[in-house]
Amino acid sequence: NAGVTQTPKFRVLKTGQSMTLLCAQDMNHEYMYWYRQDPGMGLRLIHYSVGEGTTAKGEVPDGYNVSRLKKQNFLLGLESAAPSQTSVYFCASSSRLPRGRDGYTFGSGTRLTVV
Amino acid sequence: AQKITQTQPGMFVQEKEAVTLDCTYDTSDPSYGLFWYKQPSSGEMIFLIYQGSYDQQNATEGRYSLNFQKARKSANLVISASQLGDSAMYFCAMREVAGGTSYGKLTFGQGTILTVHP
Repeated sequence: NAGVTQTPKFRVLKTGQSMTLLCAQDMNHEYMYWYRQDPGMGLRLIHYSVGEGTTAKGEVPDGYNVSRLKKQNFLLGLESAAPSQTSVYFCASSSRLPRGRDGYTFGSGTRLTVV
Repeated sequence: AQKITQTQPGMFVQEKEAVTLDCTYDTSDPSYGLFWYKQPSSGEMIFLIYQGSYDQQNATEGRYSLNFQKARKSANLVISASQLGDSAMYFCAMREVAGGTSYGKLTFGQGTILTVHP
């Protein structure tokens, strides 16, 4: 099925380790986003991209880096993981003016624990 | 300033009854879109309903309807005839256009956990 695929689905990291979360979409969407979800805070935007080769900071970008070398892929990197980065991470993609049911497509999430 | 506010951390409803989940928003952009998503315990984000700021009618999608009061900046979700499977987290979210520079970014509320009792 068309959609957004996130890998991995679960990961446990030790403090200081690095990792990359991969997001892949096959809907030819221009825009892609990384959100983190924490209890009581909803989803907060980490970084986003409006096209291949472009990235921009969202609301909570510190401690994360991103890259979008190909239109269909959006990578989220943690260079030196901290316990505060324990969260559920969602990738999403959209067209340029998202509306309605097809406005946004979300991945299934990555549950990351940093110990 | 909080752009999307959901003031009900938790709500309870009896099966087959209706329930309203509150959402207020803050924007100076005349063009925006409001979304509601359901997140069951399995974690995925499920689209429920959408309301555009220029839409004349309140949006409806099956048992879901959106009570859109533009002047009050509220976009409450109404679920009719609640079912046990409606027990989940519900998020209100807004997409602004902001002169074309918002790039589709969604801003989410804190969420409301709905529990449906049999």
